[in-house]
Amino acid sequence: GQNIDQPTEMTATEGAIVQINCTYQTSGFNGLFWYQQHAGEAPTFLSYNVLDGLEEKGRFSSFLSRSKGYSYLLLKELQMKDSASYLCAVMDSNYQLIWGAGTKLIIKP
Amino acid sequence: GAVVSQHPSWVICKSGTSVKIECRSLDFQATTMFWYRQFPKQSLMLMATSNEGSKATYEQGVEKDKFLINHASLTLSTLTVTSAHPEDSSFYICSAASGTSGYNEQFFGPGTRLTVL
Repeated sequence: GQNIDQPTEMTATEGAIVQINCTYQTSGFNGLFWYQQHAGEAPTFLSYNVLDGLEEKGRFSSFLSRSKGYSYLLLKELQMKDSASYLCAVMDSNYQLIWGAGTKLIIKP
Repeated sequence: GAVVSQHPSWVICKSGTSVKIECRSLDFQATTMFWYRQFPKQSLMLMATSNEGSKATYEQGVEKDKFLINHASLTLSTLTVTSAHPEDSSFYICSAASGTSGYNEQFFGPGTRLTVL
């Protein structure tokens, strides 16, 4: 079966760095997405990785290792507004998105 | 970026009634639209995928006669929850993509919160 695993909840301090991990097992791979979702709102796109390596975009970076079925989202200089759920999703061989359950990130002052 | 709207943003209805939710891509043509349902503290659950002009493809366990999807144009898809019951209360989110294969980012609507009394 297809499976996406990510931690349920993480806590970090304002101004610090946090890494949210995602491991996956899917039938085929056509890229991995990270989305941010604030409570009661729809997800918003953060990043897309299809090749191995690190993609940096401002305070957010995303890493992919296809051989390990592993990705992480790195958030630097955390701000209170970064408190949200972070969803990892993998596009399988049929170009369907397989979603993880999301990681709720709590930022403390 | 591309903008997707949903209407209504929230709706309360009585059990047994039907509710229609609209999803529109405002500044691009969406060849594919997706309908998701999200229960509290859970991830998105894909309900169905629809391509313009063809019947929707429903995920396993989703009743196609209960959740009617119409994708009549490249900018509009509708989801009708027929004979709604309290267990249908959820956050319904649509997303739209401009391609049918390969990498195509999904742009999400703001969601519709349905409460069935």
